[in-house]
Amino acid sequence: ILNVEQSPQSLHVQEGDSTNFTCSFPSSNFYALHWYRWETAKSPEALFVMTLNGDEKKKGRISATLNTKEGYSYLYIKGSQPEDSATYLCASATSGYSTLTFGKGTMLLVSP
Amino acid sequence: DGGITQSPKYLFRKEGQNVTLSCEQNLNHDAMYWYRQDPGQGLRLIYYSQIVNDFQKGDIAEGYSVSREKKESFPLTVTSAQKNPTAFYLCASSPEAFNWRPQHFGDGTRLSIL
Repeated sequence: ILNVEQSPQSLHVQEGDSTNFTCSFPSSNFYALHWYRWETAKSPEALFVMTLNGDEKKKGRISATLNTKEGYSYLYIKGSQPEDSATYLCASATSGYSTLTFGKGTMLLVSP
Repeated sequence: DGGITQSPKYLFRKEGQNVTLSCEQNLNHDAMYWYRQDPGQGLRLIYYSQIVNDFQKGDIAEGYSVSREKKESFPLTVTSAQKNPTAFYLCASSPEAFNWRPQHFGDGTRLSIL
């Protein structure tokens, strides 16, 4: 079973702060890295799926980068808003047909 | 709106009882998944199905069973053999079982033991 680690476990920032967190995964046999946002009492929502080393993806104020050689991905949130408060999950896959292995998530709280 | 519907939202099981969690999708997705979440842990895969009438065990399949008789439905039965069933269960789907496609999730079912 893959070991996917996310850090920090939780983060508390003020509205307007920019923040970032990390997802680490085994760099061997890498195929894809998924990021999801999971707000309380809602279903997890897909943010990005990245497959190529050096990939950068952006969705509004949220962006992600991928380094498959060293086995990490960063998620950045620019100018955090209270509605960004959620748990952010990453998941890694070793092939197109393998199952996803999820990290434990980073819980973000943005105070007004 | 297309999506995944899980029911019920909360479920209570008595000792020795089997219970079935429902998962229905109208996204026309081929692949469906069941995950379990426990406090302080990542989502763990119980079972998945890549196509109708086919399914595979995930990492923690013991004490669970599934069926995939229709494309839109993937019910999960928690049997009495599952000794620690109290958890939050999430169902997901994807267009195909390829990992470059994101998964779509339901709202989950919380199962507790009476």
